[in-house]
Amino acid sequence: GQSLEQPSEVTAVEGAIVQINCTYQTSGFYGLSWYQQHDGGAPTFLSYNALDGLEETGRFSSFLSRSDSYGYLLLQELQMKDSASYFCAGNNAGNMLTFGGGTRLMVKP
Amino acid sequence: KAGVTQTPRYLIKTRGQQVTLSCSPISGHRSVSWYQQTPGQGLQFLFEYFSETQRNKGNFPGRFSGRQFSNSRSEMNVSTLELGDSALYLCASRTGGGFDGYTFGSGTRLTVV
Repeated sequence: GQSLEQPSEVTAVEGAIVQINCTYQTSGFYGLSWYQQHDGGAPTFLSYNALDGLEETGRFSSFLSRSDSYGYLLLQELQMKDSASYFCAGNNAGNMLTFGGGTRLMVKP
Repeated sequence: KAGVTQTPRYLIKTRGQQVTLSCSPISGHRSVSWYQQTPGQGLQFLFEYFSETQRNKGNFPGRFSGRQFSNSRSEMNVSTLELGDSALYLCASRTGGGFDGYTFGSGTRLTVV
């Protein structure tokens, strides 16, 4: 099975950069996904790392190191609308997602 | 194009009753997965269907079941409801080919009283 650990809360200032870490213990790991969820909303897919390295999508970047069982989501030029919960999720061979507990990001003015 | 549609949005049931939730995936998406979200346990995988076949099942009791129809629409059923089944039930779909991320619906908020 899989287990993924991420910090429960992170606070940052508008315009800053924040990194949300995710460590995992898993068997049958295929890749790491990231999802954003606003209060009362649906999780929204942000990025997927199947290979080691950095994936960049606009202000968001995601990184994976399989040798370290570690990944992170980097958010740049933070905006108030980025306040949300962020989940890392491990993909296994059956494309089943195992989610981390979520990190609540609070962006302050 | 339309997103993933889940009905109903809210539901209140009594312990011991059963409930059926519906999910219409994005057109062309053949894989449908169900997740349960609670404050205590977070997001947990229930099952995945692809072309009317259950491909994966999470660690939930047999009271939780599902099915998928030929048009890819899916339903999940929970029988003999317990208070602990109160949760947000999320449906997610994807094309079923190479991994391209899941699109989630807004969920059904089930409250068991």
